[in-house]
Amino acid sequence: AQTVTQSQPEMSVQEAETVTLSCTYDTSESNYYLFWYKQPPSRQMILVIRQEAYKQQNATENRFSVNFQKAAKSFSLKISDSQLGDTAMYFCAFILYGGSQGNLIFGKGTKLSVKP
Amino acid sequence: DTGVSQDPRHKITKRGQNVTFRCDPISEHNRLYWYRQTLGQGPEFLTYFQNEAQLEKSRLLSDRFSAERPKGSFSTLEIQRTEQGDSAMYLCASSRGGGNQPQHFGDGTRLSIL
Repeated sequence: AQTVTQSQPEMSVQEAETVTLSCTYDTSESNYYLFWYKQPPSRQMILVIRQEAYKQQNATENRFSVNFQKAAKSFSLKISDSQLGDTAMYFCAFILYGGSQGNLIFGKGTKLSVKP
Repeated sequence: DTGVSQDPRHKITKRGQNVTFRCDPISEHNRLYWYRQTLGQGPEFLTYFQNEAQLEKSRLLSDRFSAERPKGSFSTLEIQRTEQGDSAMYLCASSRGGGNQPQHFGDGTRLSIL
């Protein structure tokens, strides 16, 4: 079975500090893509960052970066210089590459609160 | 890019009634997905379309659930004979192709069963 585990149900961080959200996943496939999505309270889910599993270089998008460890099946998200607008649920997800399967497989999410 | 649009935003109905939700994807996106999200959980995949073809429907929760995308544009998700356990947020997403193409989500339809 393909699963995503986010071991931190809730986290908090002070504004301007750095926080890391953990994610591990399980799949027997070798080709897949990994994503972090953000879901602010009562708002739609938006893509934060994505990583191709065949790339060793970790993806970076402005204040957001990942630490991708393929052998360990780990995909953590680091948020630098946290802002109040980063307060949201964060979901880790992956999708297999190729074939007819098209769906994202999500973890249960981590609720991040950024405190002033 | 006007985003993915879902209608209605909220639906309250009595147990046993049928409900239908609509999703309008981003216009140039050929893939459309339906997910269900319950409180405290991540989205759970239901079904998806490539153009008008429904490529995966085995994950629909029961035969009470069905989805259509008749002309490859908007899609509808219908739940017949609703049950208390159907109460959830129903999310629609669309993408330009599969794989690493990001899925863009709508605001969702929140279903409450009385």
